[in-house]
Formats: sequence, C-alpha cells, structure tokens
Amino acid sequence: AQKVTQAQTEISVVEKEDVTLDCVYETRDTTYYLFWYKQPPSGELVFLIRRNSFDEQNEISGRYSWNFQKSTSSFNFTITASQVVDSAVYFCALRGNTGNQFYFGTGTSLTVIP
Amino acid sequence: DSGVTQTPKHLITATGQRVTLRCSPRSGDLSVYWYQQSLDQGLQFLIQYYNGEERAKGNILERFSAQQFPDLHSELNLSSLELGDSALYFCASSVAPTGYDEQYFGPGTRLTVT
Repeated sequence: AQKVTQAQTEISVVEKEDVTLDCVYETRDTTYYLFWYKQPPSGELVFLIRRNSFDEQNEISGRYSWNFQKSTSSFNFTITASQVVDSAVYFCALRGNTGNQFYFGTGTSLTVIP
Repeated sequence: DSGVTQTPKHLITATGQRVTLRCSPRSGDLSVYWYQQSLDQGLQFLIQYYNGEERAKGNILERFSAQQFPDLHSELNLSSLELGDSALYFCASSVAPTGYDEQYFGPGTRLTVT
C-alpha cells in the first residue's frame, strides 16, 4: 500500500521558535518521490521541495530544511526561527513509480504566534 | 502568480447537474494535473495528462472525466453531481511527464453542490 501519515494535525509555536513537521510514508516501490507543499490561508498550493528515493541528502533552503531517512521511512520538514508568514497547512506527498499516483498526507496546520 | 489559470473561480450548482472546470497551464508546460480538496477526503490526486495523453490516474470517480486539448488547456467534467462533490478543485502544471518536477498550482475552483 502507498500511504503518507502526518500525525501532527495542528501545531502552534511562538515566533522565532524552531518547528519540525513529521511525515512518515509507506510504499512498496523501490523508486519513489517525496514532496512537501504549503497551503497558506489564501488557499493556493505552493510546491516546496521534492526528493527521490535514491537521494538521502538532507537539504537546506534558507530557514527550511528537510531530513529524509529511508531507514525510518520519514521525510521531516523543519522551519528554523519561524515567522508569522509560515502559518499555513503543510502537506507531505508521495509518488511511486507504480501507477504514478500522488498520495497526500492529511496535512499539518501550523500557526506561528507573534 | 503561478501562471496557471483556472476558471471559474466559484461555481454553485444543484445535485444531478454537470459542470466543466477549465485549466490553462503555464506557458511551456506539457503536463496538467487535477486535484480535489475536500474536508472529508483531504487532498486527492485525480488525474494527470501529458501532451494530450492520460499519464496517471488517481481516485477519479467514473462520473468525472478529463481531457487535455491540442493547445494544452485541460477540462475536468463532473457529472451527476452529488453533495459530496463540493470541494476545491486545483489544477497544476509542470514541464515533464514524470510528476517528479516542480508543479505550479492554479488558484482553484470552488465547487458548491446544493
């Protein structure tokens, strides 16, 4: 089965705190792709990052970083020094190479309190 | 502005009716994806087209159909509408057929079935 689990439904942090959003996935495919998307209150979806299953290097982009660990089937997302503009719903997604479908987690709603 | 346009922005219709949602991808993008976001089902991948051909199929109901035209715009047809079809429908586009590359999302069409 292909599945993405985001166990954290809602998180609130105070501005400037670091926060980690968890994502755990299940797949039988040996080749697969993982994604994070952001959905701010305005509603549009914004692509943040993609990772393929052969690339376990962690990535940092400004205040954002991603930790991909195949051993634990996790692809966690950390925001450092959070800001109010980070308040959004964040979705983790998986695309295997069987059927090419996308599977989304249920999303984590992040609120950054000023 | 992602460069992806969707029309209409809002649509209110009655059960049993049929509607067509339209999406124009970014200039140069050959892939178009359709997603449904509802409170019940969360964010779900419906279907992908690449250069006019169906590329991947997700949880798309038989009452729904889509196509991509030679000018690369796409339409999602929803028929025999039910209350549960009320949702936000997103279109996204990307350059490649793989689904691995960055997707750019339109603002969505909010469908309300009464």
